Amino acid sequence: DQQVKQNSPSLSVQEGRISILNCDYTNSMFDYFLWYKKYPAEGPTFLISISSIKDKNEDGRFTVFLNKSAKHLSLHIVPSQPGDSAVYFCAAYRPGNQFYFGTGTSLTVIP
Amino acid sequence: KAGVTQTPRYLIKTRGQQVTLSCSPISGHRSVSWYQQTPGQGLQFLFEYFSETQRNKGNFPGRFSGRQFSNSRSEMNVSTLELGDSALYLCASSLAGLAGKETQYFGPGTRLLVL
Repeated sequence: DQQVKQNSPSLSVQEGRISILNCDYTNSMFDYFLWYKKYPAEGPTFLISISSIKDKNEDGRFTVFLNKSAKHLSLHIVPSQPGDSAVYFCAAYRPGNQFYFGTGTSLTVIP
Repeated sequence: KAGVTQTPRYLIKTRGQQVTLSCSPISGHRSVSWYQQTPGQGLQFLFEYFSETQRNKGNFPGRFSGRQFSNSRSEMNVSTLELGDSALYLCASSLAGLAGKETQYFGPGTRLLVL
C-alpha cells in the first residue's frame, strides 16, 4: 500500500529552467514532509522540509509547496543546474509512526 | 565529523542463506533506522532502534531482524533469504530519532543480491 506516490519516474529539464517534481499522498495523518536527493552510489541527503501548518517553504533555489486539501506536495528548483541531476524522493511523516517514502523521480538537467 | 558507514557495500548470497549487515551512525546519534530500497517500491521502512531498543517497526516479515549495541552501532539480519530480498539496504541515523522528526543522515547502503 503506497501511501506516498511519485507518479513521474523521470523528468528532463533544460539548464536554467524550472524543475517541478510532484508527490501525492493518501494519509491525512501525515504532518511533516521532506524531500531527499540521491546521487548514484550514495545515500539520500536531506534537501528541504515543510510542516503541515505551512503551505510553502523556501531555501535558496529550492521551494516546497504543500496543498493539504489536494494531498499534494511539489518541489520547485529554479534555476535548474546540471548538478541537480539526481533521484529525488519525497517523504511524509505520520506522528508516532514512521517516514513513508515515494518511489523517486530521476531528474536530468540538460546543459 | 564522519558520516554514516555501512558494511559491506556489496554482498551476494544464495536463497536460504542468512545475512548480517552493519551500520555505524554518526558519532553522538542514538537513533538508527533501516530501509529497503527496490526500484518499484522506493524506500520501505524496516525498523528503528534507539538506545538499544526497537522503537518502531515496518511491515516486514519476521525474517528481518535487527539490534543495536551500546555504542549505537546497529546490525540487521535477514534469515532464509529469498530472491525478492535483493535490494539496496540503507541505514540512517539521527540524534533523537523519528519521533523528533529530525533530519536523517543516510549511509551509502549495502547492495544485496540473492541468487
